[in-house]
Amino acid sequence: AQSVTQPDIHITVSEGASLELRCNYSYGATPYLFWYVQSPGQGLQLLLKYFSGDTLVQGIKGFEAEFKRSQSSFNLRKPSVHWSDAAEYFCAVGTGGNTGKLIFGQGTTLQVKP
Amino acid sequence: GAVVSQHPSWVICKSGTSVKIECRSLDFQATTMFWYRQFPKQSLMLMATSNEGSKATYEQGVEKDKFLINHASLTLSTLTVTSAHPEDSSFYICTSLSPVSDDEQFFGPGTRLTVL
Repeated sequence: AQSVTQPDIHITVSEGASLELRCNYSYGATPYLFWYVQSPGQGLQLLLKYFSGDTLVQGIKGFEAEFKRSQSSFNLRKPSVHWSDAAEYFCAVGTGGNTGKLIFGQGTTLQVKP
Repeated sequence: GAVVSQHPSWVICKSGTSVKIECRSLDFQATTMFWYRQFPKQSLMLMATSNEGSKATYEQGVEKDKFLINHASLTLSTLTVTSAHPEDSSFYICTSLSPVSDDEQFFGPGTRLTVL
């Protein structure tokens, strides 16, 4: 069955430190992979996506993610975290080709210490 | 970018009443919209796919008679929670496929439903 796992429910990092949020997926075909960010009470905002090609994907707000097929992973990284990055982060896999259905991971809450 | 709006942003209702949530694409035509539900501190779960001019497709375990979806125009889909109960309290989010790429979705800001 298709699934997305985010092993870390909650992560705390200091402002200016580097960040890596983990995401593992289970999907039979070539996955469409997404990272979204959700601030409290807000809708989801797309950070970046991977469909094909270069496995290192650049997104908005200085985020990047690397697709590793051998590890079924799509980890999100940022070299230097800002206090405004504190939010909920969701990894998702798009299923069914162009149908647009998304399966989401459980989410990782990022807290940033001053 | 494309904008999806939802109305209301939050609603409180009594148990047994029905609540309608609207999802609009503001600057593009949306033939396909999706409805998700997010319980507190949990992830989003797809409820149904809403297609303009046809019946919605519900995910397994979602009661179609309880969660009525109508996609009567290219810019509006509605979700009606009928005979709401406290366990229906959740954050309901609609999304629309991008008019440019079927592989991207635009998310509405969500509607917080609280059933007393």
